[in-house]
Amino acid sequence: ETGVTQSPTHLIKTRGQQVTLRCSSQSGHNTVSWYQQALGQGPQFIFQYYREEENGRGNFPPRFSGLQFPNYSSELNVNALELDDSALYLCASSYPGTKGETQYFGPGTRLLVL
Amino acid sequence: AQRVTQPEKLLSVFKGAPVELKCNYSYSGSPELFWYVQYSRQRLQLLLRHISRESIKGFTADLNKGETSFHLKKPFAQEEDSAMYYCALSGPSAQKLVFGQGTRLTINP
Repeated sequence: ETGVTQSPTHLIKTRGQQVTLRCSSQSGHNTVSWYQQALGQGPQFIFQYYREEENGRGNFPPRFSGLQFPNYSSELNVNALELDDSALYLCASSYPGTKGETQYFGPGTRLLVL
Repeated sequence: AQRVTQPEKLLSVFKGAPVELKCNYSYSGSPELFWYVQYSRQRLQLLLRHISRESIKGFTADLNKGETSFHLKKPFAQEEDSAMYYCALSGPSAQKLVFGQGTRLTINP
């Protein structure tokens, strides 16, 4: 069974630039969630995709957008980067249908905005 | 509003001592409660969830709806328990996890 993978592991961008982060779901999972984890904080929900459609969104501006592909891999895009976007970005995959479903997390992409 | 509060950012206990990591939540309805753990240089992973009512690695957590708490307990701490622990909740639709700030647990030899 292949776990959740994310790329790249680290990224440095400058303010105003755009970034794309990638996530490959665990085998058999059709749902992916993205989280932002600032230093010293718990992860914060950005959005979730289920079968290529957005299935819930947290309190993040529209410049945070996503995609899910037919093979259930996913992208997180952030436009017009701001210094506060510096964080660890986590994706998690799951297979919904039961209460209390487990989300399986990737290792994260650490983004630094200068 | 959905909120998870972990009042202790740091917790240090000696090996063999009991451990309790506190978690309080705010949610209008019946949430699902979880404990996630992150060991050094490893990814975030599920430790246990209240719906399973199981004990994992000696840890248990009881959901107290009256006190809106889901404290994590272990009677005898081991050095390998040192890690970052996050309490989290989700609603019935399971769209998202709401995490607390986390508690860094250090077990001293």
